[in-house]
Amino acid sequence: GAVVSQHPSWVICKSGTSVKIECRSLDFQATTMFWYRQFPKQSLMLMATSNEGSKATYEQGVEKDKFLINHASLTLSTLTVTSAHPEDSSFYICSAEAAERETQYFGPGTRLLVL
Amino acid sequence: GENVEQHPSTLSVQEGDSAVIKCTYSDSASNYFPWYKQELGKGPQLIIDIRSNVGEKKDQRIAVTLNKTAKHFSLHITETQPEDSAVYFCAASLRGGGNKLTFGTGTQLKVEL
Repeated sequence: GAVVSQHPSWVICKSGTSVKIECRSLDFQATTMFWYRQFPKQSLMLMATSNEGSKATYEQGVEKDKFLINHASLTLSTLTVTSAHPEDSSFYICSAEAAERETQYFGPGTRLLVL
Repeated sequence: GENVEQHPSTLSVQEGDSAVIKCTYSDSASNYFPWYKQELGKGPQLIIDIRSNVGEKKDQRIAVTLNKTAKHFSLHITETQPEDSAVYFCAASLRGGGNKLTFGTGTQLKVEL
């Protein structure tokens, strides 16, 4: 149990376009989902926390208008990178947490390359 | 906020030897400490976790110890195997206080034949 999926696994896009990444909890209901960004050989940096049906809480320095997060159901959260630029190229990872489990389970990640 | 330091940044051991990775945290209120293994190009995988009401937890070849007074916790891997090679991250959080994880900087473990 505790499987989290992400789609797509990798994406290449042109500068200025928007990219949507989906995160799904497959076998449990996620009351909270988290979005992270990871640059090569670095640790995971939390971007935002989202609870189903409410607005996401963004970490300091993360532009909420650029990284749109929607948590429409207990099994799905989406991250949209708007007007992507080369510096947004990174590995984006989501995690999901169920209240009864008290543990975050991570998705496989999405590698974004902006040309 | 919480700050987690992790050492060493790289660790090379011979197959069959033990590996130890150490982390310290700054917020004495933190009460949950998971360890994740991340293979290249993949998401982190939870391998073991410990809560502040216990001092040690073991799962087969993996064990974690916690010293709340000193605010440090360690991951111990015994009888290492080549498939243990990966990056390991420690993390700390306050359960019931937003549950955000603060990660350490990671340890690249290489198990050599």
